[in-house]
Amino acid sequence: DQQVKQNSPSLSVQEGRISILNCDYTNSMFDYFLWYKKYPAEGPTFLISISSIKDKNEDGRFTVFLNKSAKHLSLHIVPSQPGDSAVYFCAASVYGANSKLTFGKGITLSVRP
Amino acid sequence: DSGVTQTPKHLITATGQRVTLRCSPRSGDLSVYWYQQSLDQGLQFLIQYYNGEERAKGNILERFSAQQFPDLHSELNLSSLELGDSALYFCASSSFRAASGGNTGELFFGEGSRLTVL
Repeated sequence: DQQVKQNSPSLSVQEGRISILNCDYTNSMFDYFLWYKKYPAEGPTFLISISSIKDKNEDGRFTVFLNKSAKHLSLHIVPSQPGDSAVYFCAASVYGANSKLTFGKGITLSVRP
Repeated sequence: DSGVTQTPKHLITATGQRVTLRCSPRSGDLSVYWYQQSLDQGLQFLIQYYNGEERAKGNILERFSAQQFPDLHSELNLSSLELGDSALYFCASSSFRAASGGNTGELFFGEGSRLTVL
């Protein structure tokens, strides 16, 4: 039972354009959401997060939007750069619990020069 | 560099064998998590330890076990290995504090141990 779903396995965008990575979740108990980025031969690294009390969080070129009613979040990267090419994992947790993260399967983003 | 160290980086073994994966968390982190990433799968949570005690259990097989030692390093033991156990095994640590109710949920991952079972 996939509680965090990333239905598109891959995305290809042109350098300078916007990348939009989507994520859906089914567990209504989740109240904290994170995005991780993973390069080949490396472990995932934290990118950005959002609490359920917000609907948007921005950090430089990265913005995460949360739509609680739709149980949907998205990561926007503007402008996209070739160095952003990586696998992006969406993750969710229940804040204040044991911090166990439930991950999606990941989306492979390719940014073409 | 996340500060989390995993050894070995690569491991090739045969079916039926037993292996041990080792993880040293970031300095000061009391909580250690183990995740498995199989082909085309996301990161599957296996188990969490906090200050030496098991805190949460996920989809961990009975053939697998883990422990966290007094110096906070952790080991994941995989026995009676099967072909399907071939995967990347990640260890992560966090500053989760049980007494304070948790943290922001950010985990710091090691580079992983790639296990190949032939």
